[in-house]
Amino acid sequence: AQKITQTQPGMFVQEKEAVTLDCTYDTSDQSYGLFWYKQPSSGEMIFLIYQGSYDEQNATEGRYSLNFQKARKSANLVISASQLGDSAMYFCAMREDNAGNNRKLIWGLGTSLAVNP
Amino acid sequence: DARVTQTPRHKVTEMGQEVTMRCQPILGHNTVFWYRQTMMQGLELLAYFRNRAPLDDSGMPKDRFSAEMPDATLATLKIQPSEPRDSAVYFCASGPSQGADTQYFGPGTRLTVL
Repeated sequence: AQKITQTQPGMFVQEKEAVTLDCTYDTSDQSYGLFWYKQPSSGEMIFLIYQGSYDEQNATEGRYSLNFQKARKSANLVISASQLGDSAMYFCAMREDNAGNNRKLIWGLGTSLAVNP
Repeated sequence: DARVTQTPRHKVTEMGQEVTMRCQPILGHNTVFWYRQTMMQGLELLAYFRNRAPLDDSGMPKDRFSAEMPDATLATLKIQPSEPRDSAVYFCASGPSQGADTQYFGPGTRLTVL
């Protein structure tokens, strides 16, 4: 079973509007971390934002915020005031912490976001 | 501005040739990850190291791929012999192994095997 699900293969948003990219996860761990990365057409993978499972506040980084709903196991990325440069693939990833030293990430398949002028 | 560096950025080679990709992790990071990204398979973890010791290489085809960390500033991924199906973008990432343990990615090596 997929542990990270990104149900939106592609999204469109008008410049300056907000957009929410969905991510749901599946884990039986109590301790885990959730990440969002951006991959523009240039190919680099850029870290955007992190949420720990015990963090009480939703993470925010500039125009990015993570809408963390633990009971629903969702970690949606919200981009406010979209810009043309936000057009990219966005990946959600999870690290489960009960695996001891194993710090590897489980990745979603990504959502392609296009920002229209 | 600390970054992960990877060389070469692009590599075109013929089937059967050896390919070596290099990665310099961010200074002070003690975990290094090798990923492969293709359109069909998405992002796959090939191998990962902590303190230069391999912790997980279950995602790596053992017959032709090998990964090493000869020292803390260099990680290598070798393919011998290369095959057309190895064509992909290979990313190296490093992390501090503490706190959020965020992985920071290098720019990738785009490999084409003809």
